Amino acid sequence: EADIYQTPRYLVIGTGKKITLECSQTMGHDKMYWYQQDPGMELHLIHYSYGVNSTEKGDLSSESTVSRIRTEHFPLTLESARPSHTSQYLCASSGFQNTEAFFGQGTRLTVV
Amino acid sequence: GQQVMQIPQYQHVQEGEDFTTYCNSSTTLSNIQWYKQRPGGHPVFLIQLVKSGEVKKQKRLTFQFGEAKKNSSLHITATQTTDVGTYFCAGPGTGGGNKLTFGTGTQLKVEL
Repeated sequence: EADIYQTPRYLVIGTGKKITLECSQTMGHDKMYWYQQDPGMELHLIHYSYGVNSTEKGDLSSESTVSRIRTEHFPLTLESARPSHTSQYLCASSGFQNTEAFFGQGTRLTVV
Repeated sequence: GQQVMQIPQYQHVQEGEDFTTYCNSSTTLSNIQWYKQRPGGHPVFLIQLVKSGEVKKQKRLTFQFGEAKKNSSLHITATQTTDVGTYFCAGPGTGGGNKLTFGTGTQLKVEL
């Protein structure tokens, strides 16, 4: 069973609020990812990290930011939430040799 | 950057019919991975292929990696309602860090 956890699972928040989505893995994986996905649709990579203190923006432009201070932790922050941020956010991790990726359960964010 | 496209985007089949999704990468891949995402769930790893021309089977699922290692296919024989979901291929990209790039996905619906 994959050991990657996301909290919260569901979040409804008002416009303009600051939020942080948590993602932690206990597998010691170097690579971690954040994806944005609408139900059943394409996975859009928004942030990527291949180790501590390394982060890159993904293919989809996002107003969110990430940090990677510890190997196991990869939080995503939105400074000012907007309705356009409503979506599912999935965190994933994989080993350095590009073996299988493990996904968290996701956070379903609704901004009202 | 690397692009991974899948066709078709959607497929509706009657239970018992066969189904195939095709994956095409703009660059050569060191390996190809396949994932299944059930409705409301997160992507789950199915299999990885590494060798040119490789074919692997998992019960009713047959996975193939192209000779040029730029394309792949997933074929399901005699679909069942449990096959419903979105199928994604994924492969390591080019450039530093070799992040995993996911395909656009094929959403499969199976009707009784």
